[in-house]
Amino acid sequence: DAKTTQPNSMESNEEEPVHLPCNHSTISGTDYIHWYRQLPSQGPEYVIHGLTSNVNNRMASLAIAEDRKSSTLILHRATLRDAAVYYCIEVTGNQFYFGTGTSLTVIP
Amino acid sequence: KAGVTQTPRYLIKTRGQQVTLSCSPISGHRSVSWYQQTPGQGLQFLFEYFSETQRNKGNFPGRFSGRQFSNSRSEMNVSTLELGDSALYLCASSLGADNSPLHFGNGTRLTVT
Repeated sequence: DAKTTQPNSMESNEEEPVHLPCNHSTISGTDYIHWYRQLPSQGPEYVIHGLTSNVNNRMASLAIAEDRKSSTLILHRATLRDAAVYYCIEVTGNQFYFGTGTSLTVIP
Repeated sequence: KAGVTQTPRYLIKTRGQQVTLSCSPISGHRSVSWYQQTPGQGLQFLFEYFSETQRNKGNFPGRFSGRQFSNSRSEMNVSTLELGDSALYLCASSLGADNSPLHFGNGTRLTVT
């Protein structure tokens, strides 16, 4: 069911930017891209979403490729609290299908 | 504003029994979705309810069922429990419009022995 592809794991040094990639090669023109993250022992948390244009909020930035086949979640300065599993999801209407996500390790 | 509340947090059941899990959505949210999370399969979509009607359904057997009440609270039931049903069950609520972000609870950890 999952339609996105992400690396299983990534590492980042604390206070450095992190770029988390996602491929969604089968995305249709009306599907949005959502990103969520899951901290240990918690439910997933909404991070950001977008359709075509790049998006920014207080948590992160989302860069969407012009052909929409890929996107990148950007954490501008990683902190230890950003260590989590990050999920990239294609959303069709109200249907959300999570992949296995990227486990981000932040190194002090 | 209170977040999504799931009860109970932990549950231990025996094979063959049934179980009911409860979810209280964020006030004003009309959509409730349920997910099963296991180490091997990740997060799998069970079903979604909107205004008391099941709107979407994932690929789970009929032993898994749900319902939503007029106050948007939702329950999920699993009958004839199997060992493989041991998982974290997550509930998420949203406003229900297309692409509305999901807000998750912290889940119910079900262990089947």
